Amino acid sequence: RKEVEQDPGPFNVPEGATVAFNCTYSNSASQSFFWYRQDCRKEPKLLMSVYSSGNEDGRFTAQLNRASQYISLLIRDSKLSDSATYLCVVTPGGSNYQLIWGAGTKLIIKP
Amino acid sequence: SAVISQKPSRDICQRGTSLTIQCQVDSQVTMMFWYRQQPGQSLTLIATANQGSEATYESGFVIDKFPISRPNLTFSTLTVSNMSPEDSSIYLCSTRTAKTEAFFGQGTRLTVV
Repeated sequence: RKEVEQDPGPFNVPEGATVAFNCTYSNSASQSFFWYRQDCRKEPKLLMSVYSSGNEDGRFTAQLNRASQYISLLIRDSKLSDSATYLCVVTPGGSNYQLIWGAGTKLIIKP
Repeated sequence: SAVISQKPSRDICQRGTSLTIQCQVDSQVTMMFWYRQQPGQSLTLIATANQGSEATYESGFVIDKFPISRPNLTFSTLTVSNMSPEDSSIYLCSTRTAKTEAFFGQGTRLTVV
């Protein structure tokens, strides 16, 4: 089993739709959780951190369920510019520096 | 935050040769990470490089194939040695502290022919 698993993609959705990504992690000792965005042929960049209480940043909402070891990302009112690959990222237990990366889910927003 | 300049951005190399990738950070950082990203896949950590000590390699990666230098707190290199077509990939350097996001260089797109 992979340490971080994400929904396989790609997701093809119309502009304006709401889309949700799911991610599960295997290490119950993981402490920090993130969603990164990677545009085609670019390096990953932080989209948002995921907090236990859930957090929202504009059209983006991230949630964490520690009991189920599950992370989600919701994008509302999707824009063409949201097209990218979304990577779920987790810190392994016992390490504050390393990151474990999911395989990513590709999102394609269609006009 | 940290800004990382990585070069070369891309290269096409003959099999059996070696390529050295450089990353320069605009501030002093303790740890630097080297990743490989195959097309359509996520990042795989090759090694962690601390200044003043040997790099720590992940399972499946060895120093003879991927020697790393970390001469100071702002610079690191990764060499891909004795290249084969299977080494064709994107290589990324990165840094982060315990409480910050990860910052990346722009990546090196390597094609081995």
